[in-house]
Parts: sequence; structure tokens; C-alpha cells
Amino acid sequence: DQQVKQNSPSLSVQEGRISILNCDYTNSMFDYFLWYKKYPAEGPTFLISISSIKDKNEDGRFTVFLNKSAKHLSLHIVPSQPGDSAVYFCAASARGGAQKLVFGQGTRLTINP
Amino acid sequence: DADVTQTPRNRITKTGKRIMLECSQTKGHDRMYWYRQDPGLGLRLIYYSFDVKDINKGEISDGYSVSRQAQAKFSLSLESAIPNQTALYFCATSDSPGQGLNQPQHFGDGTRLSIL
Repeated sequence: DQQVKQNSPSLSVQEGRISILNCDYTNSMFDYFLWYKKYPAEGPTFLISISSIKDKNEDGRFTVFLNKSAKHLSLHIVPSQPGDSAVYFCAASARGGAQKLVFGQGTRLTINP
Repeated sequence: DADVTQTPRNRITKTGKRIMLECSQTKGHDRMYWYRQDPGLGLRLIYYSFDVKDINKGEISDGYSVSRQAQAKFSLSLESAIPNQTALYFCATSDSPGQGLNQPQHFGDGTRLSIL
């Protein structure tokens, strides 16, 4: 049972435009959500996170939105740059202190010049 | 130098062999984790440890064992490797939650393991 789902395996966006990556989850116990970015031959790099007490968190060009009623989060990148081309994973963890992350399958983002 | 270092970066071995993957960190974090990544499945948790005396099973621990030799070192062993353990393996670390707030995990660059 996939508790965290990224239904788009790939996304192609023109440079300078907005990139929107989506993620759905099923476990209502999740209260902390993260986005990671991964380049080939490297490990995932932490990008941005959001706690369930918020509905938005912003860091420079990156904004994460959380809709708890829909169990949906999204990552907005604006403006998109060629260096943003990577695989993006969303992840979630539940209350309880173990900080065990459950990952989505990933979305490959390609920024076209 | 990388904060989370995994060795080896690549390994090819045969079915039935014992393999150890090593992870060391300079971040001073208490918590360490091992994940595997398979195509189309994202990362899945194998084992995690909160300190030297603490070992916990993750989602897919069968066929694996771990050792937390020191705060900075966490190794993953495959006692008798089988082909479906071919995957990309990642080690991660995190700080303990501060004031109840979760902390992000930080990953090494992975070990690509192929079992023939």
C-alpha cells in the first residue's frame, strides 16, 4: 500500500515558468512533510519542509503548500531554472518521534531552455 | 568533505556472498538510517538507530542486519546476498527532534549494489 504517491513520473517545464510538483498521502497520522531533490549519482538533498500546523512554507524560489483536508501537498518552483532539472521526492513522517520517512516514487523534472 | 560518507560507492558481487556497506558521518547527529531505492518505488527504510545501543527494524529489514559501532558509524550487512537485493542503498542522518519539531534527514551519495 503506497502511503505517499507522486502520480506524475515526469514533468517538463520551460525555463522561467512555474513548476508545480504534486504529492498525495493516505495516512492521516503524517504531520511532517518534506521535499528532496536528487541529481544522478548523488544522494537526495533536503529542499524544504512543512509541518501540519501550517499550510504554506516558502524559501526563496521554492514554496510548499499543504492541504490537509485533501491530503495533498505541492511544491512550486518559480521561476524554474535549468539547474532545477532533477528527480523530486516528497516524503512524510508521522507523530511519535521515530522520524521514519515514507517516500513517494519521485517525479523527474526537466527544465527546457 | 561530505558530511555523510558511504563506502563503497559501487559493488558487484555474487549470490550467497556476505557484503557490508559502511556509513560514517561528521554531522554529530544521533540518528542514522539505511534505505534502499528501487526503480519506480522511491526509498524504503531498512533499519534505523537512535544511538549506539539502539537498533530498530524498518519496513523491509528481512535479509539485512546492521551495526552501530559508534555515534558516527552505521553499517549495513547482507549475510547471504540474493539478486533481488540489487538496488541503490542510501544512508541518512538526522538530529533529534528539537522542542517536538521533526528534523530533516541528510543523505549520503549512495552505494550501487549489483548481485549476480
